[in-house]
Amino acid sequence: EAGVTQFPSHSVIEKGQTVTLRCDPISGHDNLYWYRRVMGKEIKFLLHFVKESKQDESGMPNNRFLAERTGGTYSTLKVQPAELEDSGVYFCASSQSLYEQYFGPGTRLTVT
Amino acid sequence: AQSVTQLDSHVSVSEGTPVLLRCNYSSSYSPSLFWYVQHPNKGLQLLLKYTSAATLVKGINGFEAEFKKSETSFHLTKPSAHMSDAAEYFCVVSPPYSSASKIIFGSGTRLSIRP
Repeated sequence: EAGVTQFPSHSVIEKGQTVTLRCDPISGHDNLYWYRRVMGKEIKFLLHFVKESKQDESGMPNNRFLAERTGGTYSTLKVQPAELEDSGVYFCASSQSLYEQYFGPGTRLTVT
Repeated sequence: AQSVTQLDSHVSVSEGTPVLLRCNYSSSYSPSLFWYVQHPNKGLQLLLKYTSAATLVKGINGFEAEFKKSETSFHLTKPSAHMSDAAEYFCVVSPPYSSASKIIFGSGTRLSIRP
């Protein structure tokens, strides 16, 4: 069974540009989460989908970030316009239960 | 309020010697605690979890952790390190039956194994 996949693995963009990150969860997992790790600090929660609905988006830093989950399958996280402080590693995870989250390898975003 | 502290950002041990990765937590409730491992270019993988059952928790790859309420610690150990254990390890705390937004990750400990 395929695990959680994320695309791209790396992205380098200039300040002010737009970037879209994609996450494909494990098939059948209703729960999908986005996390971010900035500059080697702690991994922080961004938001949680249950199917196509946003269950909790309390961790989203500001309105430059937009997450969607079309049809309850894959999810995208768009940053528009990107700022320098958005650089970091963005992780996606999926699960059937809260305590069994399966993580993707992450997308490393560098904003220059 | 909850917090988690991984006391060492980097630990280096020789192959075949014991591993100790330290984690202290603070929680208003009886928490659930987890250890995750991330190998290079891989996703975080759950090593083990404590959810108020036995205080000594055994995980995958020979790792185990002991929940010590009096010391508010959840240290990760392994009797004999293997080269494949080289990775970054995260201690995680969560209130029981809570939402993902309440999950707190430690800052990570990078484990290096010397031949």
